[in-house]
Amino acid sequence: NAGVTQTPKFQVLKTGQSMTLQCAQDMNHNSMYWYRQDPGMGLRLIYYSASEGTTDKGEVPNGYNVSRLNKREFSLRLESAAPSQTSVYFCASTDRSSYNEQFFGPGTRLTVL
Amino acid sequence: SQKIEQNSEALNIQEGKTATLTCNYTNYSPAYLQWYRQDPGRGPVFLLLIRENEKEKRKERLKVTFDTTLKQSLFHITASQPADSATYLCALGGGYQKVTFGTGTKLQVIP
Repeated sequence: NAGVTQTPKFQVLKTGQSMTLQCAQDMNHNSMYWYRQDPGMGLRLIYYSASEGTTDKGEVPNGYNVSRLNKREFSLRLESAAPSQTSVYFCASTDRSSYNEQFFGPGTRLTVL
Repeated sequence: SQKIEQNSEALNIQEGKTATLTCNYTNYSPAYLQWYRQDPGRGPVFLLLIRENEKEKRKERLKVTFDTTLKQSLFHITASQPADSATYLCALGGGYQKVTFGTGTKLQVIP
């Protein structure tokens, strides 16, 4: 099992460019999450998907959109990147029965110039 | 608003000693609390979970306590080793399918 995979690992964008971060899990988990991690701010929830076909806003959703493509895949889209979106992005998944023990991907380090 | 506090300063400890990390929270009544380990350049890894009706949980060299009156959790690593050096995050849960993370405390175990 690969667990949670994310692509790309690194990305540099110019202000105003768009991109999609991909996430997939092979653990048959129902719930998936996107977080961003910034120095001194900890992990902050951007969007989550409690089950296939549903998505909800987290703490910091502005500037982002998500798609729960199927049970395995959950993508995060930046439509018009801003320097404030420079961060490390983590995808996570959890089985509904496990008190939300989260399994994280390796992260995507995004720089917006 | 909800607030989770972990020591922002790094904790340096001698190998073999017990490391104790603190997680305090306010304006929150979590149903459970989790601890994660994060190494540089990697995603967090789940370590332990403790429920609100549990006082203490152990796993090998790790021990977690949860005091809902003090609104505090303590995370202990006994007989610490240099390989335990990492950042440790606490996370509180209670909302549907969501947890809220603290900022983490960096632990450095000195040989």
